[in-house]
Amino acid sequence: KAGVTQTPRYLIKTRGQQVTLSCSPISGHRSVSWYQQTPGQGLQFLFEYFSETQRNKGNFPGRFSGRQFSNSRSEMNVSTLELGDSALYLCASSLSLRPKGGELFFGEGSRLTVL
Amino acid sequence: QKEVEQNSGPLSVPEGAIASLNCTYSDRGSQSFFWYRQYSGKSPELIMFIYSNGDKEDGRFTAQLNKASQYVSLLIRDSQPSDSATYLCAVKFGNEKLTFGTGTRLTIIP
Repeated sequence: KAGVTQTPRYLIKTRGQQVTLSCSPISGHRSVSWYQQTPGQGLQFLFEYFSETQRNKGNFPGRFSGRQFSNSRSEMNVSTLELGDSALYLCASSLSLRPKGGELFFGEGSRLTVL
Repeated sequence: QKEVEQNSGPLSVPEGAIASLNCTYSDRGSQSFFWYRQYSGKSPELIMFIYSNGDKEDGRFTAQLNKASQYVSLLIRDSQPSDSATYLCAVKFGNEKLTFGTGTRLTIIP
């Protein structure tokens, strides 16, 4: 069974640009969550989608957005990039929201560097 | 009080000993609890989950939950160098997002 696939794995952007990251969940998983990980802040929750609906949202500015498609694949977009957006962006999928919603399966992440 | 708190460590344990990792959480209704392990440069992976008070054992790992005291712990018996990693405690409060602690870095000393 294939795991969670994230693309691209690495990318370098400059300030002011925008970026789109993609995530394909494990087959059959309908919930997709996105996290930002930095050495200083740990894992910070961005958003969670279930059946194309955003169920939960973290405390990030509106420059961060996401969506989920009917096949459960998800994308997140960051507009007007800032240096502080440099991080590892992790996507995770799970079967449902609860109680197994905490049993997340993470992808390898997309490492974004903003210059 | 932060929702999920862990001692960041580093925690050093001799090989073969028991490693004990602790996590406290704020009390907000129903919760379920998870332990993730993250090796350096890798993504987190789920190693244990516990939903009810008491102990849950899986091989060398035991998760302990005490809702009255609002803590959950992870014990690793017969620690091996391959257990060296950062361990993340996570709590799901009802239908809300999964909230992670900042993690405890564990080093097993051969």
